[in-house]
Amino acid sequence: GESVGLHLPTLSVQEGDNSIINCAYSNSASDYFIWYKQESGKGPQFIIDIRSNMDKRQGQRVTVLLNKTVKHLSLQIAATQPGDSAVYFCAEASSWAGSYQLTFGKGTKLSVIP
Amino acid sequence: ETGVTQSPTHLIKTRGQQVTLRCSSQSGHNTVSWYQQALGQGPQFIFQYYREEENGRGNFPPRFSGLQFPNYSSELNVNALELDDSALYLCASSVDRDNEQFFGPGTRLTVL
Repeated sequence: GESVGLHLPTLSVQEGDNSIINCAYSNSASDYFIWYKQESGKGPQFIIDIRSNMDKRQGQRVTVLLNKTVKHLSLQIAATQPGDSAVYFCAEASSWAGSYQLTFGKGTKLSVIP
Repeated sequence: ETGVTQSPTHLIKTRGQQVTLRCSSQSGHNTVSWYQQALGQGPQFIFQYYREEENGRGNFPPRFSGLQFPNYSSELNVNALELDDSALYLCASSVDRDNEQFFGPGTRLTVL
């Protein structure tokens, strides 16, 4: 079946450095892709999304890059802060039988070293 | 906070029992999606409710069922609980079926 996966399960970065979290996807029919942040004991929190017809989108301190040729998605966090420590999931959204489903990867745990 | 609330926060059940989890959607949202998140895994889609009707289902058996009420709040029911049903159950609401989903904090279910 289709799947969304991550290259690295854990990532440790120094405070102030940039972080890059990668994700591979396999469903070329997905409409858009979303990055979520999940802190301990909380539900996933939307960070940024990107439509399948785009290759880059920027937010506040975050940038998502989409490479459809190799089916690769990345999240870049600039000037990483301790509050960025969390598990990050990429998800692909696709329509199926009238519903809009999110398919999540396993997640990458980001640890920020003060 | 997203405005999506879930109850209870934690729940312990024994194998074979039945459980009902509740979700109140964000104001103005008519769609609720439910996800199961096993420890160390990403959330898995269970089903979606749109205007009180099931609108798509993931790879979960029929003992997972749901309801959506006229105020668009929702329930997830699981019958004949199994040990593998232990997980965090998340609901997410959205303005419509294909819009951004806002997640609640989840209900942690433990099956003994």
